[in-house]
Amino acid sequence: DAGVIQSPRHEVTEMGQEVTLRCKPISGHNSLFWYRQTMMRGLELLIYFNNNVPIDDSGMPEDRFSAKMPNASFSTLKIQPSEPRDSAVYFCASRQGSAEKLFFGSGTQLSVL
Amino acid sequence: AQRVTQPEKLLSVFKGAPVELKCNYSYSGSPELFWYVQYSRQRLQLLLRHISRESIKGFTADLNKGETSFHLKKPFAQEEDSAMYYCALKFTDKLIFGTGTRLQVFP
Repeated sequence: DAGVIQSPRHEVTEMGQEVTLRCKPISGHNSLFWYRQTMMRGLELLIYFNNNVPIDDSGMPEDRFSAKMPNASFSTLKIQPSEPRDSAVYFCASRQGSAEKLFFGSGTQLSVL
Repeated sequence: AQRVTQPEKLLSVFKGAPVELKCNYSYSGSPELFWYVQYSRQRLQLLLRHISRESIKGFTADLNKGETSFHLKKPFAQEEDSAMYYCALKFTDKLIFGTGTRLQVFP
């Protein structure tokens, strides 16, 4: 298994543009998490899904952020419109059941100019 | 509110020196705590969990409920320990992370 796969690895966009980040969890994992990493705030949980259903989106910063999980093997995090303060590394992670161990993707480095 | 605090953004030591990365938590229930590590150009990964009381790569962490701490320790740092370390608290069904500490071990 290639682990959690995120795309793109890097994204550079201009303020106001729509950004879509993608994640493929490990096969068989039924929980998926989106985190944002910044120097100031560390790793912040944005949203997580259990069996494709959003369970807790209290970490989503604004209505500009949305996330979907249409099936067990794919999730997207969308920012529309993007702003420079959204620049960060966005991580996707998955796990099986309520296991303690999270498996992280390589992250997407987002730069909004 | 549930919170994880890592007071040091950067910790620099020389090889062979002892290391302690601090982590304090705020949680009213019985805590489950973890340390995750991200080495250069690698994915963030689980290092150890308090419930296992294990030593991984020479690192240990003891839960101190009185001080609400879960500090990560290693008696003799190695250059390959240089990485970003995150302390995490399990709350309901999710992990809450601290802001992280970058450990630099100089030769």
